Amino acid sequence: GESVGLHLPTLSVQEGDNSIINCAYSNSASDYFIWYKQESGKGPQFIIDIRSNMDKRQGQRVTVLLNKTVKHLSLQIAATQPGDSAVYFCAENMRGYQKVTFGIGTKLQVIP
Amino acid sequence: DAGVTQSPTHLIKTRGQHVTLRCSPISGHKSVSWYQQVLGQGPQFIFQYYEKEERGRGNFPDRFSARQFPNYSSELNVNALLLGDSALYLCASSLARGQGGNQPQHFGDGTRLSIL
Repeated sequence: GESVGLHLPTLSVQEGDNSIINCAYSNSASDYFIWYKQESGKGPQFIIDIRSNMDKRQGQRVTVLLNKTVKHLSLQIAATQPGDSAVYFCAENMRGYQKVTFGIGTKLQVIP
Repeated sequence: DAGVTQSPTHLIKTRGQHVTLRCSPISGHKSVSWYQQVLGQGPQFIFQYYEKEERGRGNFPDRFSARQFPNYSSELNVNALLLGDSALYLCASSLARGQGGNQPQHFGDGTRLSIL
């Protein structure tokens, strides 16, 4: 769905451990997916994207996995740092359509 | 290079008033989109403009309107404000007309609108 209640899912991770944030997207016709990080008081910040013709893409300390069969997206953060603490959103888009749909956010808390 | 800039950063209005929010995209970006983010939720798509024309619209009432100028900056206008319009209004810019061009949107830090 496009909205989430007031209580975001929370993931607590020890500093230095790896984090995995999951997202289920809604539209099987979506062909472009993006992960955003949103810190308190700021706008969403682009992290990494992936097209539907790929199932994995790696960036600096981050990896996105796409499973189109079950409409599932995940973001893996290696060696999680305190600066990674934020709300993470996945977003989906369908070619030819302008609307970008954001998924349920996940709050990542990094424990020092 | 400057990112997406929005003004004002905060605004307080009363019910029934109207408001104009402004956005300057990243230099070279021709597409601007507007989103509403209510506390605790993800951004909801309102509009997209590309080359000064509306290219997409979300599920928002006609009280919401926008326009894009020749320099690609944009304004979002909301009339007859309701308490439920209180939210963070985000502007995003991208190179391409749509994400179908595989160009991610880059967001500003938003305008926090409070309706009393």
